[in-house]
Amino acid sequence: DIQMTQSPSSLSASVGDRVTITCQASQGIRNALNWYQQIPGKAPKLLIYGASNLEPGVPSRFSGSGSGTDFTFTISSLHPEDIATYYCQHYDNFPYSFGQGTKLEIK
Amino acid sequence: QLVQSGAEVKKPGSSVKVSCMASGGTFSNYAISWVRQAPGQGLEWMGGIIRIFGTTNYAQKFQGRVTITTDESTNTAYMDLSSLRSEDTAVYYCAVGSSSLDPWGQGTLVTVSS
Repeated sequence: DIQMTQSPSSLSASVGDRVTITCQASQGIRNALNWYQQIPGKAPKLLIYGASNLEPGVPSRFSGSGSGTDFTFTISSLHPEDIATYYCQHYDNFPYSFGQGTKLEIK
Repeated sequence: QLVQSGAEVKKPGSSVKVSCMASGGTFSNYAISWVRQAPGQGLEWMGGIIRIFGTTNYAQKFQGRVTITTDESTNTAYMDLSSLRSEDTAVYYCAVGSSSLDPWGQGTLVTVSS
């Protein structure tokens, strides 16, 4: 099974900061990677699919990149409403799996 | 939009069946996946069904204990988990899609306690 390792596990940043989260797959997954946002008490929401494609309606300050084993998720300028936990998820083959999550807080 | 059934409290060793109804659409052309989240923990993919192909895939961890089905007549998907133990206490989510999951149901809290 493919393991997804996300880092950092938590992150504190100021409004307006650029925020970067990384996700590493235990083996190559091409670009079969999604990023989700989970606001406390809510269901996850898909932000990025196929490693770099922005889901319709998602603000352009969110972006993703990478291929193979190393992926990056970026918020170009942090907004207060971005406080959430972010997860990567691979779908290269079954079973799919998620990273352990990155909890983002405002400094 | 996906609407899930209400919270459940179950005894260890029993089974639970969580439903997920699609409003404003039909499952026949979609895949449905199930993901769970234990209290304070991350997301865990359990499995999914691709209705148009009639195929299901399950995480090895749940093989033999989980069954995912759909009922096209009621636009409802189901996740049946048997032999419940305390570690199965979690919020269970359904989501549309077999690879990219969106949208999600609101979640169903299943508590396993004696």
